[in-house]
Amino acid sequence: NAGVMQNPRHLVRRRGQEARLRCSPMKGHSHVYWYRQLPEEGLKFMVYLQKENIIDESGMPKERFSAEFPKEGPSILRIQQVVRGDSAAYFCASSPLGTGGTYEQYFGPGTRLTVT
Amino acid sequence: AQKITQTQPGMFVQEKEAVTLDCTYDTSDPSYGLFWYKQPSSGEMIFLIYQGSYDQQNATEGRYSLNFQKARKSANLVISASQLGDSAMYFCAMRERMNTGFQKLVFGTGTRLLVSP
Repeated sequence: NAGVMQNPRHLVRRRGQEARLRCSPMKGHSHVYWYRQLPEEGLKFMVYLQKENIIDESGMPKERFSAEFPKEGPSILRIQQVVRGDSAAYFCASSPLGTGGTYEQYFGPGTRLTVT
Repeated sequence: AQKITQTQPGMFVQEKEAVTLDCTYDTSDPSYGLFWYKQPSSGEMIFLIYQGSYDQQNATEGRYSLNFQKARKSANLVISASQLGDSAMYFCAMRERMNTGFQKLVFGTGTRLLVSP
């Protein structure tokens, strides 16, 4: 039973380029969360998606960041025109239940984005 | 205001000793959940233990136990019989209800644990 998969594991982009981060949830999970971890900090919530729906994006920066979770395929976090401050680890988590219960969120290995 | 506070940036413990990692939280929601995750140097987030706000008993998972003191709003992680492989960052997190009614995890800043032989 494969866990949450993220790719790439490491991504290097020059300032101004676009970064696309992919997340495949665990089998049977239809809820996806994206978190960002800046160096030496804890994870911070960005966005929560279900298939074809953005449920809550209150943690997303207003500009340059977008997320989607299409009916088929992985969830994508896209960062346009990256800046050095976007350098961070981006984690995806999935759960079988979106509104509570004791189901923990299962985390992927993360994508480490470095902007040069 | 900080929702999750981890006051220990770093902790040292000798192998086979027990260690307690502190976590306090702040919420007005009567229903919440508390989690501990381990992040080794490889970077992945590993779920360790969960405590629900209505759980009567303290959660335990192998060598991990959660010392849940609801009135004090604390949820300390106790690791018994430390092993060298326990050296990692440890994050306390709380499941918080969003305005949409759904829930997200709010993380503390972490405690770096170093286990020495």
